[in-house]
Amino acid sequence: AQKITQTQPGMFVQEKEAVTLDCTYDTSDQSYGLFWYKQPSSGEMIFLIYQGSYDEQNATEGRYSLNFQKARKSANLVISASQLGDSAMYFCAMREAEEDDKIIFGKGTRLHILP
Amino acid sequence: EPEVTQTPSHQVTQMGQEVILRCVPISNHLYFYWYRQILGQKVEFLVSFYNNEISEKSEIFDDQFSVERPDGSNFTLKIRSTKLEDSAMYFCASSEGLGPYNEQFFGPGTRLTVL
Repeated sequence: AQKITQTQPGMFVQEKEAVTLDCTYDTSDQSYGLFWYKQPSSGEMIFLIYQGSYDEQNATEGRYSLNFQKARKSANLVISASQLGDSAMYFCAMREAEEDDKIIFGKGTRLHILP
Repeated sequence: EPEVTQTPSHQVTQMGQEVILRCVPISNHLYFYWYRQILGQKVEFLVSFYNNEISEKSEIFDDQFSVERPDGSNFTLKIRSTKLEDSAMYFCASSEGLGPYNEQFFGPGTRLTVL
């Protein structure tokens, strides 16, 4: 079974609109961390936001927020007021306490922001 | 802000040749990682390294691969005899600590092309 599922291979959004990128995860650990990374066409991996499994509040970083619904094992990324520079590949990822070392990535969602 | 650096940014090699990909992790970090991303696919964990030894490796990390920390700053990935399917983006990452609450900082990647 996939540990991280991103069901939207591609999305097109009008500039200045908000966009939600879906992510569901599968783990039996009680302690885990969830991450979102942005990968522009140049290829680097840019860390965006982090949510710990014990965090009560949803994480926010500027225009990025993580809609964390623990019971549903969902960790959607919300980008408010999208910009042309937001066009990129977005990866949801997880690090589990029982698998200390590695981060497990989803297949990604390619986001296109339209002018 | 400290960052992980990788050299070269792009490496082209002939099948069967040895390549060494270099990384300089963030200076106070103790845990080091290599990940691979074949074009158009998700990022996959290769290996983690701590205290001068491999702590975990994936099934991808076969005998053709090796890692080394030859001095206090560099962390290298060697592929002994490259194959066409080794063509990918290789990311180095480092982390201050273990566990799901410790962020792994990614380098900009080395794009390896095997001809």
